[in-house]
Amino acid sequence: DARVTQTPRHKVTEMGQEVTMRCQPILGHNTVFWYRQTMMQGLELLAYFRNRAPLDDSGMPKDRFSAEMPDATLATLKIQPSEPRDSAVYFCASGLDGRYEQYFGPGTRLTVT
Amino acid sequence: AQSVTQPDIHITVSEGASLELRCNYSYGATPYLFWYVQSPGQGLQLLLKYFSGDTLVQGIKGFEAEFKRSQSSFNLRKPSVHWSDAAEYFCAVGPSGNTPLVFGKGTRLSVIA
Repeated sequence: DARVTQTPRHKVTEMGQEVTMRCQPILGHNTVFWYRQTMMQGLELLAYFRNRAPLDDSGMPKDRFSAEMPDATLATLKIQPSEPRDSAVYFCASGLDGRYEQYFGPGTRLTVT
Repeated sequence: AQSVTQPDIHITVSEGASLELRCNYSYGATPYLFWYVQSPGQGLQLLLKYFSGDTLVQGIKGFEAEFKRSQSSFNLRKPSVHWSDAAEYFCAVGPSGNTPLVFGKGTRLSVIA
């Protein structure tokens, strides 16, 4: 049963620290999405990759967030430095052209104190 | 701009009763429409999707949704709710299934005996 995996599942860190979240998309999928979920804003897109190329990161605060795909099996989202307002659940999803749906990982719950 | 409105933040229904969750969207072209469900602490699972054809679509877990272009709506229904249906439900819209989605704020469903 192919799934999107995310690590860590939970992260508690202090303000100013670097946070790295990892995502392993479903093998063979060619798109990766990073979404952030908060009570106030709901689910919003942070970044979008197609065939490992970044296509849309307009939802990401550029000064502190970065997203990369070092290879087809790994996507990373980094926050440096982290701030309390970054506390949220970060979801990774992957998809495949011709398949009309995205598959979501379990999320990383980030708490910045 | 794309947007999704889910007018009901929280709905409580009795087990065995019927359910309808409302979703209205704003989109400039023919949309791809989705309903996702999120159980506590879990990722999002796709319930059903619509992009063309029959406007009444069937999904998993006994859910169905009807696309009404004239009303810009895509309401989710279930004839008889089970206690295990208690979760958060999200409506989403996008240009296709494998591009970034815009989500509604969600409707939390509680099921009482």
